[in-house]
Amino acid sequence: AQRVTQPEKLLSVFKGAPVELKCNYSYSGSPELFWYVQYSRQRLQLLLRHISRESIKGFTADLNKGETSFHLKKPFAQEEDSAMYYCALRGTGGGSTLGRLYFGRGTQLTVWP
Amino acid sequence: SAVISQKPSRDICQRGTSLTIQCQVDSQVTMMFWYRQQPGQSLTLIATANQGSEATYESGFVIDKFPISRPNLTFSTLTVSNMSPEDSSIYLCSVGVAGGQETQYFGPGTRLLVL
Repeated sequence: AQRVTQPEKLLSVFKGAPVELKCNYSYSGSPELFWYVQYSRQRLQLLLRHISRESIKGFTADLNKGETSFHLKKPFAQEEDSAMYYCALRGTGGGSTLGRLYFGRGTQLTVWP
Repeated sequence: SAVISQKPSRDICQRGTSLTIQCQVDSQVTMMFWYRQQPGQSLTLIATANQGSEATYESGFVIDKFPISRPNLTFSTLTVSNMSPEDSSIYLCSVGVAGGQETQYFGPGTRLLVL
């Protein structure tokens, strides 16, 4: 069964410190992984996806199939990075799983000045 | 990208009543989804809204409780029927936009409180 695990519900770092938000998954097929972010009073929005291998707002995430992980990293956290971060997996199988996203429970990141 | 609006943005309802939430997209999309986000919890998919056919519900969600309409490729509604306080949640509409690599975009959500 598909599952996305974010072990940390809360994460606090100081400005300028490195930050890593953990995400592990279980999926029988070839996964598509995403990170979504929700800033205070804003809608959920896509931060990045593993297929694009891009860096958005200084964040990167590498899919590690051996460890079934997709951790989100940023070398120097900023106060404006404070938000709720969700890791998500998209089913690539057929039938009813096609297109749907499976979300982790989210990690609330707080960056202190 | 896609611009998604939801109405109402929030509501307070009495137990036993029903509320219909609307989701409007500014472009035609193939996939539309409805999620629920209960307080302190993650997003849970309720159903996939299919245009021209019945919605596909996830385990634990039934059509009698959450009827969904999808009359065209830009609009969908979710009704929360016979509400109880346990239905208090944020309800999110999401659409899948194909552009080489399909991306899902989310609406602003409807915050529902049932008394």
